Amino acid sequence: QSALTQPASVSGSPGQSITISCTGTSSDVGNYNLVSWYQQHPGKAPKLMIYEVSKRPSGVSNRFSGSKSGNTASLTISGLQAEDEADYYCCSYAGSSTYVFGTGTKVTVL
Amino acid sequence: QMQLQESGPGLVKPSETLSLTCTVSGGSISSSSYYWGWIRQPPGKGMEWIGSIYYSGGTYCNPSLKSRVTISVDTSKNQFSLNLSFVTAADTAVFYCARFSTAMVVFDYWGQGTLVTVSS
Repeated sequence: QSALTQPASVSGSPGQSITISCTGTSSDVGNYNLVSWYQQHPGKAPKLMIYEVSKRPSGVSNRFSGSKSGNTASLTISGLQAEDEADYYCCSYAGSSTYVFGTGTKVTVL
Repeated sequence: QMQLQESGPGLVKPSETLSLTCTVSGGSISSSSYYWGWIRQPPGKGMEWIGSIYYSGGTYCNPSLKSRVTISVDTSKNQFSLNLSFVTAADTAVFYCARFSTAMVVFDYWGQGTLVTVSS
């Protein structure tokens, strides 16, 4: 069970859109529509942003959207804001009631 | 409001057992809709799912840690616990407990995390 691969960092200017990729395998991301995304500010607990690939929990801005193609899931942040600067982690169901997280992506707002 | 709080020693010696407890408040750990999990995050690194437990005691663990992990639940105290045996410096991490929603298949509520350092 290897960690899902994410880019180490992504940056953008306020108002721009950025996309974070999350690449797994046919045993996890590619086989289940059970990818979630978490936002983590420094020293804080993670916050759920997206579940089941593209669904937003109540209270999460519609600037956050998710998608999946094959073994790669993606999180897009539109209209980038200073408060979006944080680390982002994907997570996928990997079968047999196990779960695997991504390597994490640091989002910087320029 | 659902809250989870980790507790336990912040320093553990190599080869010993790391023991943490998560106290759940604002809801019952015996709810059929949730599992309860442990996730860790080494300093400056990504997160790793350790394992999860149902109120009835059924557990699921990360295959890479399974031989060293024991997760238990105490419904009378609304708590669940993690034991990680034969620790090394590589086990130094912030440990989070979290509620796992079976409906959404996500960890929807998290504790604040507790740093456990493995050092002699």
